[in-house]
Amino acid sequence: KQEVTQIPAALSVPEGENLVLNCSFTDSAIYNLQWFRQDPGKGLTSLLLIQSSQREQTSGRLNASLDKSSGRSTLYIAASQPGDSATYLCAVTGETSGSRLTFGEGTQLTVNP
Amino acid sequence: DAGVIQSPRHEVTEMGQEVTLRCKPISGHNSLFWYRQTMMRGLELLIYFNNNVPIDDSGMPEDRFSAKMPNASFSTLKIQPSEPRDSAVYFCASSIQGAHRTQYFGPGTRLTVL
Repeated sequence: KQEVTQIPAALSVPEGENLVLNCSFTDSAIYNLQWFRQDPGKGLTSLLLIQSSQREQTSGRLNASLDKSSGRSTLYIAASQPGDSATYLCAVTGETSGSRLTFGEGTQLTVNP
Repeated sequence: DAGVIQSPRHEVTEMGQEVTLRCKPISGHNSLFWYRQTMMRGLELLIYFNNNVPIDDSGMPEDRFSAKMPNASFSTLKIQPSEPRDSAVYFCASSIQGAHRTQYFGPGTRLTVL
């Protein structure tokens, strides 16, 4: 059974700092990995999707990397802003699990002005 | 597009009552997903449909839960009878069919069973 772990569970940083969120998964037979953002009381918003054949994806100040063989992904946020404060979740789709997403517990990020 | 629409946004009910949650996917999307989020268990997939057909319902906790998708623009998740441990936020998501496609989430329904 696939298990996804995110470290740290919570992170508080001053505005402007660069930061890294970590995600690990136990079964490397994945089809893709996604990073989502969840604001309090709201649904999830997809940030980046990395196919298993890719090493990284970038969108603005966000960069996600994937090392499938070691079961790891990182989300790098450059020049953090208070508006980046949210919970960040990673999720994987297994090669044989169709469209089923398995989520990590999330990292709660607070960027202080 | 209005995005995925869920109703109600909040539901408070008493144990034993029937609860029906509703979802309207994004127009043109042919995959629909129901998730449950709790502090203890995080975000879990309950069931998903492709072209209105249930594909994977292995996450449905027990027979008290049922989901239907009578057409491409509407789905329901029903709990009968409800129990306090069903209290959670229930999300609906939709996508174009395919494991490589991004899923778009609705705002969720916060269910409280007293």
